[in-house]
Amino acid sequence: GAVVSQHPSWVICKSGTSVKIECRSLDFQATTMFWYRQFPKQSLMLMATSNEGSKATYEQGVEKDKFLINHASLTLSTLTVTSAHPEDSSFYICSAEQGAAEKLFFGSGTQLSVL
Amino acid sequence: QKEVEQNSGPLSVPEGAIASLNCTYSDRGSQSFFWYRQYSGKSPELIMFIYSNGDKEDGRFTAQLNKASQYVSLLIRDSQPSDSATYLCAVNTGFQKLVFGTGTRLLVSP
Repeated sequence: GAVVSQHPSWVICKSGTSVKIECRSLDFQATTMFWYRQFPKQSLMLMATSNEGSKATYEQGVEKDKFLINHASLTLSTLTVTSAHPEDSSFYICSAEQGAAEKLFFGSGTQLSVL
Repeated sequence: QKEVEQNSGPLSVPEGAIASLNCTYSDRGSQSFFWYRQYSGKSPELIMFIYSNGDKEDGRFTAQLNKASQYVSLLIRDSQPSDSATYLCAVNTGFQKLVFGTGTRLLVSP
């Protein structure tokens, strides 16, 4: 299957700092990328849908000024958690779609811990 | 009512048995349905997807869809300890996005 690279795998940061997470589709062009957040023992919650060259579409309740998404190319999307707080600690996962819902490939995830 | 519901489990089965995982969804207009497996601390991996009513088989896995009753299930035959994981049901509600259930934790004992 197609490969989606996500890094860093884990990051620890101090409260108030910003953290950037990268998501790359390595062997295909992804017109759409998705960002999810997953708290322990809970399901994936879609945060936003990112389309190359346009503004991301955020789900209800997700602060777009706090979770900045940039989809600069067909192979790269970034999520920046600005002014991170302990409650932002979570597992963040990206996925990239290769033209159809069944061709949705996930990155390996980023465990964010905010102290 | 949650859009996609699953029993959180854990569902415990002995090795070699059939594991049956169930999922119900609320959006009657949903068109496609997915089962993902997720190991602890890892990202989900697609096991199967199904569009049409009935059964779809792939190796030890069978997905079953009943649109009238709005449920989809996953059967795992000859369960192995390596199948122990959380299984996520996801529904394509349109608009390019999947809605995930909370997952069912499966434990297969040797």
